[in-house]
Amino acid sequence: GENVEQHPSTLSVQEGDSAVIKCTYSDSASNYFPWYKQELGKGPQLIIDIRSNVGEKKDQRIAVTLNKTAKHFSLHITETQPEDSAVYFCAASKGGGSYIPTFGRGTSLIVHP
Amino acid sequence: DADVTQTPRNRITKTGKRIMLECSQTKGHDRMYWYRQDPGLGLRLIYYSFDVKDINKGEISDGYSVSRQAQAKFSLSLESAIPNQTALYFCATSDLSGNGYTFGSGTRLTVV
Repeated sequence: GENVEQHPSTLSVQEGDSAVIKCTYSDSASNYFPWYKQELGKGPQLIIDIRSNVGEKKDQRIAVTLNKTAKHFSLHITETQPEDSAVYFCAASKGGGSYIPTFGRGTSLIVHP
Repeated sequence: DADVTQTPRNRITKTGKRIMLECSQTKGHDRMYWYRQDPGLGLRLIYYSFDVKDINKGEISDGYSVSRQAQAKFSLSLESAIPNQTALYFCATSDLSGNGYTFGSGTRLTVV
């Protein structure tokens, strides 16, 4: 089955710096890669996703890149703010209705004011 | 109101007790899921249901059971709770594509 590795497990940055979280996956058939943000006391919330026919996707201060050859994808957050502090999860899925995504173990991002 | 509502939010129970966690959704989604979150282990799938008549085991189903009472309701039961089932439990829904889950706010369960 699919295996998703996520690094780092903890990331501490100063406000205004950039943050990068990386994930690798094992199944070359995976073609859908969502990212979730989990704030304290809340459930994970989808913040951005990318499909395998796209190499990069941006939404304001966040972007996701995908390298299918190397089987890795990354979340980039620019100009970090304290409200970006949360746990971030990546996931990989074959897409389509029958497949359940495999989640990474999460990255705790701490943005210091 | 939240799209996915979980009750209770917090629960402390004793070893050996039966407990039920409930989930209801207003998304109109057919697919519902139960996950368990432990520090450092991420989200692990317990059970999932693609429709009312469909129930499937996830990677860590031992010690758990589920019931899909209606399209909008999916409950998780611990038949005889044990301390290592202490965790944060999440219910989630998705549309037929299976992409982009909507999670509830979670139930923090402590088994003493």
